Amino acid sequence: DQQVKQNSPSLSVQEGRISILNCDYTNSMFDYFLWYKKYPAEGPTFLISISSIKDKNEDGRFTVFLNKSAKHLSLHIVPSQPGDSAVYFCAASDTGTASKLTFGTGTRLQVTL
Amino acid sequence: NAGVMQNPRHLVRRRGQEARLRCSPMKGHSHVYWYRQLPEEGLKFMVYLQKENIIDESGMPKERFSAEFPKEGPSILRIQQVVRGDSAAYFCASSPRRQQPPNEKLFFGSGTQLSVL
Repeated sequence: DQQVKQNSPSLSVQEGRISILNCDYTNSMFDYFLWYKKYPAEGPTFLISISSIKDKNEDGRFTVFLNKSAKHLSLHIVPSQPGDSAVYFCAASDTGTASKLTFGTGTRLQVTL
Repeated sequence: NAGVMQNPRHLVRRRGQEARLRCSPMKGHSHVYWYRQLPEEGLKFMVYLQKENIIDESGMPKERFSAEFPKEGPSILRIQQVVRGDSAAYFCASSPRRQQPPNEKLFFGSGTQLSVL
């Protein structure tokens, strides 16, 4: 039962362009969403988060959009840089069990020159 | 300021042996979380511990798996009588307090890759 889904296993984008990574969820109890970035042989590192009371959160080149009615969120990276090449995981939690994150399967982003 | 330290980085065991995975949280962190990543899957929550207490073990398999976080020393994830299906990357994370909601103060270690022959 995959409650958080990232349907694109990989994405290739040219340097300077926009990268859009998508995530869908099925559990309507989720009210907090996070994006993590993971390099090979390293643990995930926190990137950006959004609460369900918002529909957008921005931090520098990274913006997360949340569409609650569609149970969909997306991460926009503008402009994309080669150092952004990594696996990106979407994660969700509900405040009742906030210590437990439910992760998607990840999207591997490749930013080409 | 060292991050979350996990050792070993790689662990090879034969079927039926025991595996012990260690996690030292960041300095000042008293909350530890274990996650498992099977090949081609996302990370899955296993257990959440505070010092000397298991808070949430809802993601732990019912048999062969146990976890502890003693007053002194690292947190240990123990897998008895390993099987091939236990082969995975095991990640530990720590935080200074209960994450509610979870945020950037949850830090992950680099993981232990367990391979069962």
